[in-house]
Order: sequence, then C-alpha cells, then structure tokens
Amino acid sequence: GAVVSQHPSRVICKSGTSVKIECRSLDFQATTMFWYRQFPKQSLMLMATSNEGSKATYEQGVEKDKFLINHASLTLSTLTVTSAHPEDSSFYICSIKGATSYEQYFGPGTRLTVT
Amino acid sequence: DAKTTQPPSMDCAEGRAANLPCNHSTISGNEYVYWYRQIHSQGPQYIIHGLKNNETNEMASLIITEDRKSSTLILPHATLRDTAVYYCIVMDSSYKLIFGSGTRLLVRP
Repeated sequence: GAVVSQHPSRVICKSGTSVKIECRSLDFQATTMFWYRQFPKQSLMLMATSNEGSKATYEQGVEKDKFLINHASLTLSTLTVTSAHPEDSSFYICSIKGATSYEQYFGPGTRLTVT
Repeated sequence: DAKTTQPPSMDCAEGRAANLPCNHSTISGNEYVYWYRQIHSQGPQYIIHGLKNNETNEMASLIITEDRKSSTLILPHATLRDTAVYYCIVMDSSYKLIFGSGTRLLVRP
C-alpha cells in the first residue's frame, strides 16, 4: 500500500494559538485526502474530504473556519486548527485515495494537546 | 451513521483462527465491504475489501454471504500482534469511510 506520513506526530500548544498538521503521500498520487479525528476510547470521525485543487467538503458539525484544509498538490494536504481550545485536543488522522483505486491509506496520526 | 454492526469485543488463542462477524443488512448493490484495523495510537491499517465474492490476501480472508447482508473476516492464525480494534465499513460511491465502534480483538498467549 501507499506510504503516508504526518507531521508533527505530537504537538502541544496553548489555548488560542493555531496549529498546522501536514499529511504527505510519499509514493502515491493522492487525488483525494480525508481528515479524521479520534477522541480517547472512541472511533474515528470523518471531518472533511478534500480533492486536489478544490475546496474541502466538511461533514456536518465541523466548522470550516476553525479547521482550515489546504490540498494544494497530489502529495500534500494540511489541516490548520485555528484558535485552538482544550476541547480540540484529539488524535488527528489523514487518509489518501488515488483516482483509480478504492483503497484508502492512513497516516500514523497526530496527537494534539491544547493546554 | 455507520451502516454496520459488530460485536464490541472478542478474544481468541494465539495460533487459532479469529473469525470476526459483521452485519450490514442495508448494504446496496454497488457498495463494498472494507475491513481496517487500528492498533493502539496508530492510524488504521487496510486489511481487505470485497463486493460479492469471497476474497483472500496475505493478511486475511473475507467471506461475504450470498445476500450480502453480513460478512466475516478471518485471520487464519492469529498472533499477539493481531490484537487491535477491527472495523467493518460499507463504502458507498462517495468513497467516504464511516467508522462504527468496531470489534476489539484480544489475542491471548
């Protein structure tokens, strides 16, 4: 399968600051990228879908002005958590999908802690 | 909402087959069944997927009933490293993966 990396793997930030998380596809042209978050002892929740060069589509209840997604190339998508609050502390995971395949490949995740 | 139901937990002995069931009674004709697993604090790992026919790869086998309303993931010889949460997901034409609660599999030594 495809190799997906995320950076950083862990980040701690202060309340009110913004944090950018990168998702990179190392060996695969990712026409579509997905962002999920996972709270402790819960399942993954899809936040948004982004297609390369287009605006992201957000799931119901996810604020697009708070979670900014940029998918500028076939190998990179970024998620920026703006004005972070402690309740945004979570495990953020991206996945990628190619144009001609059904499989999605997941990154290792980024653990965000907002103090 | 997830279109699948799975038992919350299961266990099996190391070296034995692990059979994980999944119900997806509302699946549509063109929707695929996907299985992923997540080991603690890691991203989900793709295991296998299928539409109608049974599938096998180096990790597992997927058995889908003829009416497609349920399926079973089989790990033929479970190891301790197979301890994880296993998710059965029905993917529609949007390609979104909507995760349910999954089955927590514990492989006992």
